Order: sequence, then C-alpha cells, then structure tokens
Amino acid sequence: DIQMTQSPSPLSASVGDRVTITCRASQSISNYLNWYQQEPGKAPKLLIYAASSLQSGVPSRFSGNGSGTDFTLIISSLQSEDFATYYCQQSYSTPWTFGQGTKVEIK
Amino acid sequence: EVQLVQSGGGLVQPGGSLRLSCAASGFTFSSYEFNWVRQTPEKGLEWVSYISIGASTIYYADSVRGRFTISRDDAKNSLYLQMNSLRVEDTAVYYCARDRDYSNWYASDYWGQGTLVTVSS
Repeated sequence: DIQMTQSPSPLSASVGDRVTITCRASQSISNYLNWYQQEPGKAPKLLIYAASSLQSGVPSRFSGNGSGTDFTLIISSLQSEDFATYYCQQSYSTPWTFGQGTKVEIK
Repeated sequence: EVQLVQSGGGLVQPGGSLRLSCAASGFTFSSYEFNWVRQTPEKGLEWVSYISIGASTIYYADSVRGRFTISRDDAKNSLYLQMNSLRVEDTAVYYCARDRDYSNWYASDYWGQGTLVTVSS
C-alpha cells in the first residue's frame, strides 16, 4: 500500500497568513493526488484534483502543486472559514489512501 | 442539486450484520462510479470499497474483503454496502462518495452526510 504522510500537524496560523501543507507519498504517484477539506461533523469536500487542478466553486486562494512523491497545498491568504482539517489522498493505485490530516488552527 | 443521502447505520453486536444505503439525486446515477470511505479518530479516513459503472469492477480494502459487499441499483439510484461479520474495529462513520472522472484523474467530488456504525456488545 502507498503511505501518505502529511506535515505539519497541527498547524497554527492567523487570518491573512500564507499557509503551506505538505504531503509525501511512499512511492511515486505521478500527479494522482487529491486534496480535501473537512470541517468538524461534516463530510470531506474536494478542493484540488490531479495535484493542481482547482475543483469548481473552490476559491482561488487554494492551490496545489507537486508530482512524483512530494506535494503541497497552499492557501494564499487564510480566511476564517478555512480553519479546518485538510487531507491528501492518492488515486494512483488501490487501496486509495489518505494522509493523516493537517488541522489548521487559530494562532 | 447533487445529493447523496445515507441511511442504515446504528449499533450492532460483534459478528452481526448491517446494510448501509446511499440514495442519489440530482445527476445521472448510472453514469458514475462510487466509493465507500470510513473515518475514525484513531485511523482517520480509510477507503473501504469501490464500484464501477455497471458494477463491472469492484475493489475492497483488505480489512473488509470477504465480509463487506458493495452493490448498486441504477433503477433506484442507490448504492449499498452490506456489512457482515462485523468487528469492533469496523466502528466508524461511513461515507458514500461519488467519483468523478477528470479525464482519467479520479476524485470524490460529492459525499454523503455520513452514518455512524457502532460495533459493540
């Protein structure tokens, strides 16, 4: 199975900060990498697919990049509604696997 | 509006069975693939099972293979997860999720609200 490791966890930040979350795969997954946001008590929400493509309706302050084993999710200017937990997921091979999550907390 | 509405969770004893349902609306159900994903505080998000269009391809996580069965009824716009021989470690919130094909990149673009399955004596 492909292991996905996220860092940091948790992450403390303030409104307006630029936030970077890293996801590393245990083997190359090309760009078969998705990012999800989850608020407490809610289902995950798709933000980014194929490592860098923004899902429709997602604000442009979210962006993703990377290929192979190293990926990043960037929030260019953190907003109050962005305080949540973020997960990466590989869709390269079954079993699809998720990172352990990065909780973005208020500093 | 795309909606996935789940039902069927609850409390069950170890060794028991439960069937989860996921009723879809707002899109052409038969044209999409689906997953079941579960979540616990300890293990986070864990993919459970996948079913393709027409149910021609089905995958399971090793942890549930042989005990869980995924199925779909396109006439009823519904997805199911039959869970047998349940174990304490199957306790989790279970989500159904629609897979979208972004030109051979796949991601779950819509999710059900989640349903809690508790396996306990």
